[in-house]
Amino acid sequence: AQSVTQLGSHVSVSEGALVLLRCNYSSSVPPYLFWYVQYPNQGLQLLLKYTSAATLVKGINGFEAEFKKSETSFHLTKPSAHMSDAAEYFCAVSLGGYQKVTFGTGTKLQVIP
Amino acid sequence: NAGVTQTPKFQVLKTGQSMTLQCAQDMNHEYMSWYRQDPGMGLRLIHYSVGAGITDQGEVPNGYNVSRSTTEDFPLRLLSAAPSQTSVYFCASSPRGGGNQPQHFGDGTRLSIL
Repeated sequence: AQSVTQLGSHVSVSEGALVLLRCNYSSSVPPYLFWYVQYPNQGLQLLLKYTSAATLVKGINGFEAEFKKSETSFHLTKPSAHMSDAAEYFCAVSLGGYQKVTFGTGTKLQVIP
Repeated sequence: NAGVTQTPKFQVLKTGQSMTLQCAQDMNHEYMSWYRQDPGMGLRLIHYSVGAGITDQGEVPNGYNVSRSTTEDFPLRLLSAAPSQTSVYFCASSPRGGGNQPQHFGDGTRLSIL
């Protein structure tokens, strides 16, 4: 079984500041990890995914995430927030193959001008 | 390329009514899923399918039925709508080996049960 915990349902940052969204996972085997973004009234879009090839994963729109096995974490970061980054972000975990994907409860990012 | 198409986008039902939420994908993906999204609860898996003719239950299957007669279509049926089923429903698809592949989502169906 697997689970994922996102710390902080709401995060506010100033435009130009560092974005840090936290995700911790629980898995009995090495997991596959994903970050998705959801803009209002839209479906989820993939930001990036970890599939064991590299621990630092770069995604779209300047986001990246680092897989830390010792901390069971996969936090999402972006050096400088932009107004267009305001959205809800979801971390997800899977054991691969035909296994189900489990989503976190989401973090809403607010960017303050 | 349309991707994942969900219809309708909005629907209001009365308690006890039945309806079918449609989902179609044109990417020849084997793996399809239905989720419901409720405030503060993220996405919860209702049912999923790993190929035509194969379906299985997810985390919250009660009150919902699915079938998968073709690769492209994966309809979700509400048997007797209840107010607790008021939610936003998302359909998603992914290629073979769905668990390690990113999912492609539709834009959702916003369903209200009165």
